[in-house]
Amino acid sequence: GAGVSQSPSNKVTEKGKDVELRCDPISGHTALYWYRQSLGQGLEFLIYFQGNSAPDKSGLPSDRFSAERTGGSVSTLTIQRTQQEDSAVYLCASSLDNTGELFFGEGSRLTVL
Amino acid sequence: KQEVTQIPAALSVPEGENLVLNCSFTDSAIYNLQWFRQDPGKGLTSLLLIQSSQREQTSGRLNASLDKSSGRSTLYIAASQPGDSATYLCAVRPRGGKLIFGQGTELSVKP
Repeated sequence: GAGVSQSPSNKVTEKGKDVELRCDPISGHTALYWYRQSLGQGLEFLIYFQGNSAPDKSGLPSDRFSAERTGGSVSTLTIQRTQQEDSAVYLCASSLDNTGELFFGEGSRLTVL
Repeated sequence: KQEVTQIPAALSVPEGENLVLNCSFTDSAIYNLQWFRQDPGKGLTSLLLIQSSQREQTSGRLNASLDKSSGRSTLYIAASQPGDSATYLCAVRPRGGKLIFGQGTELSVKP
């Protein structure tokens, strides 16, 4: 596609429910990143995929968070048993390789009631 | 551990002024540095990417410089316009892998 696409753009859920957020990177980009931005805060790194290498999961805040990237393209970020502190904008980005320019999607705004 | 700091946190200027945004980082072993802008409620838009071997990059009214040895980068905006109002973020990339972001500078350009 022309840019990084994320869905849903907005998600409201109840505490304790599971949510899935989807990212469709720019075609041909081998690197994919997930970041989180809480209200008034900076960008917090979550997870990074590069080609067929093992992902860098060092930023995942708890074992309730997981992500996968199928076929080297689309990625899904899953949050289990959501908590109110999970409320944030989840941003996905991709780059041609592990050193190239990053391009971001518009984000998925998650609100946990 | 790499840390990125942006000063000032917020800046308000009248339209037409030239301005400089600052970014500093603690570890000079970076592969590149990237400047972004973020409008309220939106994702990040890439402005400029500077490789570690480069000293500056220019795009229109924007000029970004990099002094890797001193751990500093500046983003120069010429003849500022109200449409430049946004949060500006810099991010450094260590040898491959994820970018590490500063907290951003919120810029307001008054007509």
